[in-house]
Amino acid sequence: AQSVTQPDIHITVSEGASLELRCNYSYGATPYLFWYVQSPGQGLQLLLKYFSGDTLVQGIKGFEAEFKRSQSSFNLRKPSVHWSDAAEYFCAVKGFGNEKLTFGTGTRLTIIP
Amino acid sequence: KAGVTQTPRYLIKTRGQQVTLSCSPISGHRSVSWYQQTPGQGLQFLFEYFSETQRNKGNFPGRFSGRQFSNSRSEMNVSTLELGDSALYLCASSLVGGSGDTQYFGPGTRLTVL
Repeated sequence: AQSVTQPDIHITVSEGASLELRCNYSYGATPYLFWYVQSPGQGLQLLLKYFSGDTLVQGIKGFEAEFKRSQSSFNLRKPSVHWSDAAEYFCAVKGFGNEKLTFGTGTRLTIIP
Repeated sequence: KAGVTQTPRYLIKTRGQQVTLSCSPISGHRSVSWYQQTPGQGLQFLFEYFSETQRNKGNFPGRFSGRQFSNSRSEMNVSTLELGDSALYLCASSLVGGSGDTQYFGPGTRLTVL
């Protein structure tokens, strides 16, 4: 069975500082990996995805993520955060031949001026 | 292209009642999945429909059911509502479903059970 761990429940970052959100997955093969963002009271917006190929993937809003097979990780990064980045971030995994997304518990990001 | 739409956006029901939520996928998308989001359990997969057939199901009781119509629109139904069913219900659509497909989410329906 596939699973996702987001070890940080809540992260606070100063505006303009860099950001890294951690995600570790468990799956028997190379999974399909996603990062979604959710603003309060809203649905989920796709930031980026990894299916295969280049392990560094670029997403929207200046986000990127790096797939590291050896560490079973797919960490999300942004070089300089903006106040509008405050939201909850979810890492998700899909296994082969399966439409079901398995989500981590999410990381809430707070931005301080 | 219009995104995934869900109606209604908010619902208040009482225990024992039943409720029907609706989801219209992105035009051309044929797979629709439903998720429940609660503070305690997080995001949990309910079921997936493709070509009017349930193709995948999560670990929820039989009170939760769904269906898909020929135009790919989907509904989910919860019967005999319990307080614990209070949640944000999210619908997601994708082209054909499957591991290599990307799901796009709607804004959700917030269900409150009193």
